[in-house]
Amino acid sequence: EAGVAQSPRYKIIEKRQSVAFWCNPISGHATLYWYQQILGQGPKLLIQFQNNGVVDDSQLPKDRFSAERLKGVDSTLKIQPAKLEDSAVYLCASSLKRTGDDSPLHFGNGTRLTVT
Amino acid sequence: AQTVTQSQPEMSVQEAETVTLSCTYDTSENNYYLFWYKQPPSRQMILVIRQEAYKQQNATENRFSVNFQKAAKSFSLKISDSQLGDTAMYFCAFMNPGNQFYFGTGTSLTVIP
Repeated sequence: EAGVAQSPRYKIIEKRQSVAFWCNPISGHATLYWYQQILGQGPKLLIQFQNNGVVDDSQLPKDRFSAERLKGVDSTLKIQPAKLEDSAVYLCASSLKRTGDDSPLHFGNGTRLTVT
Repeated sequence: AQTVTQSQPEMSVQEAETVTLSCTYDTSENNYYLFWYKQPPSRQMILVIRQEAYKQQNATENRFSVNFQKAAKSFSLKISDSQLGDTAMYFCAFMNPGNQFYFGTGTSLTVIP
């Protein structure tokens, strides 16, 4: 089974520039998550999709971050404009999501963003 | 909201020895799931072990086992016969019935040869 694919692996931008990350989940996984992981911390949920609908985006800084999953498969996370504090690893994860079961998260390799 | 606490930022263990990583959580849910994930320097998060809250029996996966104390809201990970490849960050995670995951701050484990 192919894993969660993410690109790019690394990105360096200047503050106030924009950047986009792409994620392709495992085939058949209905739920897709974007996490932000700042160095030395645990992953923090940015947004959770169920198919192409948003389940939870309460921690997404909506003034600068946006995400979409138009066809319920792959997803794009965008930051515009970037700030220095956005420097982090952005992890995408997916799960089967069947109600009441313990569908674990399957993670991609992440994108390391450096904002200078 | 649920919270997950890992009180040990760093730990070390001699190769072939046993180490236990601690995790506590806070929730008002009765049905939930708990996980331990490993994150090596390559950054990819790898599932180590999972536990259903309604099961009293502690989960085991080869050298990895958990001590799940539901009343105490405690979920520790025991690694037996530690190997150099076990060196990584370990994250405890809580999943509620809505499939929302919450992670602790992690424990950095170093296995010493």
